Order: sequence, then C-alpha cells, then structure tokens
Amino acid sequence: QQQVKQSPQSLIVQKGGISIINCAYENTAFDYFPWYQQFPGKGPALLIAIRPDVSEKKEGRFTISFNKSAKQFSLHIMDSQPGDSATYFCAASYTGGFKTIFGAGTRLFVKA
Amino acid sequence: DTAVSQTPKYLVTQMGNDKSIKCEQNLGHDTMYWYKQDSKKFLKIMFSYNNKELIINETVPNRFSPKSPDKAHLNLHINSLELGDSAVYFCAAGQSNTGELFFGEGSRLTVL
Repeated sequence: QQQVKQSPQSLIVQKGGISIINCAYENTAFDYFPWYQQFPGKGPALLIAIRPDVSEKKEGRFTISFNKSAKQFSLHIMDSQPGDSATYFCAASYTGGFKTIFGAGTRLFVKA
Repeated sequence: DTAVSQTPKYLVTQMGNDKSIKCEQNLGHDTMYWYKQDSKKFLKIMFSYNNKELIINETVPNRFSPKSPDKAHLNLHINSLELGDSAVYFCAAGQSNTGELFFGEGSRLTVL
C-alpha cells in the first residue's frame, strides 16, 4: 500500500521530443506528489510537484498530469534537451507522515 | 552556502569496521532524513527525525544508529559493516507541512 510504481525503467528520446514517465500509487492518504531529478554524483533535487486538488501543473517545459480516480500521475518533458539526461524519480507523501516514498527511477537519455 | 551538507563524500572500509557519516542543514527545517540508494538507484528511507525526535525507523538493522544532537544535525553511525551496506547514503531535510525534501550530495560507502 505504500508503494509507488514507476515506468519505464529507462527512456531514450531524440532532442526536441517529448519524454513521458508514469507513476501509480495505492495509498489514497498521499497528498503530495513530487518529481525529483538526479544527475550522476549528486543528490535528487525537486523538479516539480502537485497536490491532488488539481489535475495538471506546468512549469516551463515540465508538466505533471494527475488522475486521482486512477491513482496515477505522469511527468511530461516537452522539447527534451541533452541537458535533461538524468534519473527521474516520482514520489508520494502525506502531511504528517514524515516519509516520502520514491518510485524506482527512470534513466532518461536525450540524444543530440 | 550548501543547504544540506554531509561528510565524508566517500568512505572505503573493511567488513566489520565501524563508520560514521555526518549531516548538517542550514535551512531551518524541522525534519531530517537518511535515505539509502542502492546500486540500482532505488531510494529507500531509513530514518526520519522531527525536531530531534525519531519518528520513522524503517526496519533498519540495529547496527545503524542515527543521532540528532540538534535540529540542524543528523548523524549516522554504522557498526560491524557488511558487504550489503555498500551504497550511497543521502541525508535530506524538509519542513513537515510542505513535503519538499532537500538532499545532500550523498556519501558513497564501499565495504570490502
């Protein structure tokens, strides 16, 4: 019930293309759904996050789509660039839970 | 000024030894965490501390002993190191009512 399932495990996209990563959760108590970006040798850093009262959030080239009834959310990276090549983690937490559960990660490679 | 800093960045040690990792945050956040990232990049929570009090202990072996001397520091001591302890250990800080986590750069532990 605490799991967050993420797919695909790896993704190769041409420069300028759209990268799509999907996640699904089970625990309906989750109320915060962030995406983290991690470059080699660095810690994960928050990219964008959404709460379940909205179905979409956009920040620049990054968009989260959220489907509360299906318990799914996804990250779309528009106009993907080689500099976007990194590992992306979806995650979920709930207020007062003091715990963020991470998906297994997606390694994105954007070909120039 | 680094928001979450952890030392050392690398540790190489023999099985059976004891080692410590230190973490400090200058964000003023009320919660600190230790996460373990294995070779497959999976991020798993180990401990969370809120205002110096242990809140979460995710069935971590008692060879791992966290200590939080104050709200800005969370250290991790590991006794009798085993090969399976080899991983990258990340410290993180966050404010309990927001959900966002700020990670350190990680401490790569290699047990030989």
